[in-house]
Amino acid sequence: EVQLVQSGAEVKKPGESLKISCKGSGYSFTTYWIGWVRQMPGKGLEWMGIIYPGDSDTRYNPSFQGQVTISADKSSSTAYLQWSSLKASDTAMYYCATSTTTVTACDYWGQGTLVTVSS
Amino acid sequence: QSALTQPASVSGSPGQSITISCTGTSSDVGNYNFVSWYQQHPGKAPKLMIYEVSTRPSGVPYRFSGSKSGNTASLTISGLQAEDEADYYCTSYTSSTTFNLVFGGGTKLTVL
Repeated sequence: EVQLVQSGAEVKKPGESLKISCKGSGYSFTTYWIGWVRQMPGKGLEWMGIIYPGDSDTRYNPSFQGQVTISADKSSSTAYLQWSSLKASDTAMYYCATSTTTVTACDYWGQGTLVTVSS
Repeated sequence: QSALTQPASVSGSPGQSITISCTGTSSDVGNYNFVSWYQQHPGKAPKLMIYEVSTRPSGVPYRFSGSKSGNTASLTISGLQAEDEADYYCTSYTSSTTFNLVFGGGTKLTVL
């Protein structure tokens, strides 16, 4: 069974750093890209970027370029999303997702990680 | 990167059919058959309902169907059921930017 299991909710202060994770299992982690999606409170879905774990090729949505870093560790089948200096506007639910059936549609999603940034 | 355009809300009664549109451009919906649709219930992760314009993943009911005409893709739900009440998002491959995926703004479906 394909599963993406994300790390738990985080509460941080502005300016702090954070790295959240997404562990894949039940499929070939290095074969399929993993994407990160942001959903701000009461808002829609936004692509942040994707990574191909096999070679760590990473593509960012220009709206998020320079704001976050996406990475992956093949040895642990885990993808990461990190911030070096959080802002209150980073408060959101973050989902990871992968596409094992078709090139552009995510058939498996993580449960989401809620990040709250507040002083 | 401009989002695809969806109506903010649609509604229908149980048993009826509804259609949600997703309008893009020739850089995305119009020239590529890589339109997908996701259903999201409150507090839940999105669920893939349609991919490549009209293909249903295993387990998705037949009453969900997708189509495309020109720059507009559509999701039709026939025989509406109470559990279909959710937010629906389209997404498409796009060649207009260096990042090749774009979401629609989402549509809230209310089952009356």
